[in-house]
Amino acid sequence: SQKIEQNSEALNIQEGKTATLTCNYTNYSPAYLQWYRQDPGRGPVFLLLIRENEKEKRKERLKVTFDTTLKQSLFHITASQPADSATYLCAPISSGGSYIPTFGRGTSLIVHP
Amino acid sequence: EAQVTQNPRYLITVTGKKLTVTCSQNMNHEYMSWYRQDPGLGLRQIYYSMNVEVTDKGDVPEGYKVSRKEKRNFPLILESPSPNQTSLYFCASSRQGEETQYFGPGTRLLVL
Repeated sequence: SQKIEQNSEALNIQEGKTATLTCNYTNYSPAYLQWYRQDPGRGPVFLLLIRENEKEKRKERLKVTFDTTLKQSLFHITASQPADSATYLCAPISSGGSYIPTFGRGTSLIVHP
Repeated sequence: EAQVTQNPRYLITVTGKKLTVTCSQNMNHEYMSWYRQDPGLGLRQIYYSMNVEVTDKGDVPEGYKVSRKEKRNFPLILESPSPNQTSLYFCASSRQGEETQYFGPGTRLLVL
């Protein structure tokens, strides 16, 4: 069955450092992979999308990589700030389907001042 | 303002009492979906709709119904709620051909 794995343990880092979050998937052939941010009690907010033919995508302090051989996406936040503390969800989308994503369980990021 | 709205935001009910959670979007999106979120389980898709009168089951559809009579609305119906449906529910929409999901603010449901 299709499976999306994100680190269940919270990632604690110091302000100013780079946070790296991992998303691994199995039994998927995603055409796209999205990353969302979710704050407690609120709906997820879209951050970035990367397509299968793209190796890397950047947006301000965010960078996403997509390795279809490893079946893995990495999400980086450079120069992290306490305001970046949230849960980050990855969501692969398979080609030929509904284009409505299935979400990983998310990784909680805590940035300490 | 482009948005997805859900009502009610909070609801306490009793087992077996039918309820409806409404979802509306003002972005003319074709796709709409419902998710539930539980601690440790993440977001799980309940139902989705790719257009008016087109709905399909997600990963956890048991105990839920949906309808899509109009493009903007996608209500979630619990015909006979049970305590295991206590959860945080999110509605989302997206435009056909664009993959970004826009989420509503969530509905926190407690079934006693």
